[in-house]
Amino acid sequence: AQSVTQLGSHVSVSEGALVLLRCNYSSSVPPYLFWYVQYPNQGLQLLLKYTTGATLVKGINGFEAEFKKSETSFHLTKPSAHMSDAAEYFCAVSEGYSTLTFGKGTMLLVSP
Amino acid sequence: NAGVTQTPKFQVLKTGQSMTLQCAQDMNHEYMSWYRQDPGMGLRLIHYSVGAGITDQGEVPNGYNVSRSTTEDFPLRLLSAAPSQTSVYFCASSYYRSHYEQYFGPGTRLTVT
Repeated sequence: AQSVTQLGSHVSVSEGALVLLRCNYSSSVPPYLFWYVQYPNQGLQLLLKYTTGATLVKGINGFEAEFKKSETSFHLTKPSAHMSDAAEYFCAVSEGYSTLTFGKGTMLLVSP
Repeated sequence: NAGVTQTPKFQVLKTGQSMTLQCAQDMNHEYMSWYRQDPGMGLRLIHYSVGAGITDQGEVPNGYNVSRSTTEDFPLRLLSAAPSQTSVYFCASSYYRSHYEQYFGPGTRLTVT
């Protein structure tokens, strides 16, 4: 069965610092991988996704993620954090079924 | 396109009451799903459907019922509400060519007292 582990329920960074949110997955087949963002009291918005091809995926708002099969990881990064990036981030995996399995989420806190 | 719509946005129920959360999509997506979100738990799959007339259980199906009579609609029924069902409920749709990217509705915040 597929599963997702997000390391760190909360990550704190200063504005302008590197953002790194970690995601590891388990899957019996080549997975599709996703990062979603949820701003307070809102729904979920897709940041980026990996399906096939290039392992470095660029998303919205300057975020990117790299699929590393050997490490079963799909970490999310952004070179310079903005205050507006404060939100909860969810990593998710699909093995080709119609639904996703989500991690428990990481709350990103950005301080001035 | 309105995308995925959910009603109501907020609901308070008493223990034992029943209700239906509505979900509709106008994108002609074949797949639809219901998730619940609880603090520290991420999103967990309740029920899903791969087409009209076809539904299946997810990770946490107990206490919920679904049906899918049309491509557009996928209502979630709470049979006898319990405080453990206090949660935020998200409906989502997807399609094969999107690699199962979920398109989410705005959510329904449900409180059971």
